[in-house]
Amino acid sequence: SAVISQKPSRDICQRGTSLTIQCQVDSQVTMMFWYRQQPGQSLTLIATANQGSEATYESGFVIDKFPISRPNLTFSTLTVSNMSPEDSSIYLCSATPRGRNTEAFFGQGTRLTVV
Amino acid sequence: AQTVTQSQPEMSVQEAETVTLSCTYDTSESDYYLFWYKQPPSRQMILVIRQEAYKQQNATENRFSVNFQKAAKSFSLKISDSQLGDAAMYFCAYRYSGAGSYQLTFGKGTKLSVIP
Repeated sequence: SAVISQKPSRDICQRGTSLTIQCQVDSQVTMMFWYRQQPGQSLTLIATANQGSEATYESGFVIDKFPISRPNLTFSTLTVSNMSPEDSSIYLCSATPRGRNTEAFFGQGTRLTVV
Repeated sequence: AQTVTQSQPEMSVQEAETVTLSCTYDTSESDYYLFWYKQPPSRQMILVIRQEAYKQQNATENRFSVNFQKAAKSFSLKISDSQLGDAAMYFCAYRYSGAGSYQLTFGKGTKLSVIP
C-alpha cells in the first residue's frame, strides 16, 4: 500500500487568510486527488492534481479559491484561499499508485477551522 | 452521472454479532469498481473491501464480505463477529474502470456503533 503523509493535521485560521496543505506519498503515483468533507458529510471531490499540467476542477470549485500544485509524482499541495467559516472542513488527499489503479489510498486529512 | 446511496445513516450491532450495511448505486456503465471504506474518528480513510463489477463472485476479506447484485445495482457489506474496533463511519464508493477515470463517488456514509 502507499503511505500518504498530509500536513498540517489540523489548523485554526482567521477569515481572509490562506492555508496550504501538503500531501506527500512514499511512492510514485499516477493520480492525486483532493477531497473536502464538510462536518458530518461525505467526501466531495475538489480536483484532480495532474503532474506537469493544471489541475482539473469539479463543478463548484475554482482555481482561484483552491489553487493546486503538483510538481512531481509524489507531492501535491492544496491552498484554501481567502478563507471564510464555510471553508471549515476536513480536506483529504488521495492517490492511486502506479500499477495498482484499482485502489485509492488516503492521507489522514487536515481538519480546518476558520474563525 | 453516477450516484451512490446509503440509506442507513446510523446502525448499531452487538459485539460478536453480524451486521449488514446497505448501498445502492446508479450508473450506465458496465465496467466499474465498488468499494467500502472505513473512517474511524482518526479521519483516516481505510479501504475495507473492493469488488470488480465483472466478477460474479462476492469479495471477502476476513470478517468482511459483500453481497454484490449487479442487476439490482446493490452492494451491501456484511461484518461478521463485530468488534469494538469496527465502530466507524462506513462509506460506499463507486469508480468507473475506464482509462484515466480514477476519481471516486462516495455515498453519504453509515455510522456504525458496536455495543459491548
